Amino acid sequence: GAGVSQSPSNKVTEKGKDVELRCDPISGHTALYWYRQRLGQGLEFLIYFQGNSAPDKSGLPSDRFSAERTGESVSTLTIQRTQQEDSAVYLCASSLALRGDEQFFGPGTRLTVL
Amino acid sequence: AQSVTQLDSQVPVFEEAPVELRCNYSSSVSVYLFWYVQYPNQGLQLLLKYLSGSTLVKGINGFEAEFNKSQTSFHLRKPSVHISDTAEYFCAVSLRSGTASKLTFGTGTRLQVTL
Repeated sequence: GAGVSQSPSNKVTEKGKDVELRCDPISGHTALYWYRQRLGQGLEFLIYFQGNSAPDKSGLPSDRFSAERTGESVSTLTIQRTQQEDSAVYLCASSLALRGDEQFFGPGTRLTVL
Repeated sequence: AQSVTQLDSQVPVFEEAPVELRCNYSSSVSVYLFWYVQYPNQGLQLLLKYLSGSTLVKGINGFEAEFNKSQTSFHLRKPSVHISDTAEYFCAVSLRSGTASKLTFGTGTRLQVTL
């Protein structure tokens, strides 16, 4: 079956503009995660969705970042008033609800803020 | 809070030589342990994971890792590397309890295999 897909693959924007990044998880995966990978650094957790539970937003770096998920399908990560430090690869992952289960990652969206 | 340390940012090695990539973690509660690999221009892929049971875990592509609770380590090893193993390797942990299974990653180790 299809893996996790993300769009766009690349996004170049100007400082101060808003951007939306999209993630399509694997069908049947109830858990969905967003991570950020800045150049030369590891992946940072941003937000986690699990079924109908309230999302875990503990990793969002500022109130300019928000995310939504429609049921157990598509998720969008929105960054408002982008800053140069937001430049990174944004990765989405999905998994079954089982603790310790493998997270399957998408190819990422490379965001460049000029 | 938990943290993961990968002391080596880069590891150069010749083809067919053995390799060990080091990973140490810190956590006040029990964790699950993972190694992910990111090949050039590709997404992350799970190499192996430790959930419970035998402390020696075997993964894909001939890699294995050993969980050492006393040293809070989960080092990755391969007895003989191939050019195709050139990639970025990430160690990660997730909590065994609580409501979230988010991963906490190390900063990665770039394995460069040459002839």
